[in-house]
Amino acid sequence: GDSVTQMEGPVTLSEEAFLTINCTYTATGYPSLFWYVQYPGEGLQLLLKATKADDKGSNKGFEATYRKETTSFHLEKGSVQVSDSAVYFCALRLEYGNKLVFGAGTILRVKS
Amino acid sequence: KAGVTQTPRYLIKTRGQQVTLSCSPISGHRSVSWYQQTPGQGLQFLFEYFSETQRNKGNFPGRFSGRQFSNSRSEMNVSTLELGDSALYLCASSYQVNTEAFFGQGTRLTVV
Repeated sequence: GDSVTQMEGPVTLSEEAFLTINCTYTATGYPSLFWYVQYPGEGLQLLLKATKADDKGSNKGFEATYRKETTSFHLEKGSVQVSDSAVYFCALRLEYGNKLVFGAGTILRVKS
Repeated sequence: KAGVTQTPRYLIKTRGQQVTLSCSPISGHRSVSWYQQTPGQGLQFLFEYFSETQRNKGNFPGRFSGRQFSNSRSEMNVSTLELGDSALYLCASSYQVNTEAFFGQGTRLTVV
């Protein structure tokens, strides 16, 4: 079945460090891919998305590239801030419908 | 523009009772999806409604049901509550099929 696997956390970084959170997927067809972020006590916020192979999604310094050959959508940021501390979810949406399939989530902690 | 509104934010129920959660989507959005978030199982899809019709359903027992009204507001109901139903229930609204999902802050259900 369709699934998303992302690296386990927590990931603990110092401020201004480089961030990578790995995400791979299994899906039939051509899914759209997403990164969502969840702050404590909140719902999910869309961080970035990519709808086809080789698309790069970017927002607030975060980037991810849809790699169909490796079925991956890794999240990167060049310099993290304490305010980036949150839980990050990788997700896919199949071609028809609005159902999202989520990875387990990765806790990011950034220390000052 | 108002976001997705979920009510109530917090709920405590006793085993065996039933509960109804409400979701008001963004004005003009016709699709509503529901997700259950638990520490053990992560984010799991419950169901999706579009224009009052259930389009997709996740792998949950029949105790979980939902509906959507003509104004796109949606409710989900859980009957005969079990301790394992304790979770954060998230609602997401989308303009139509294959469009961005916007999440509410969720309803935190505790079953005692």
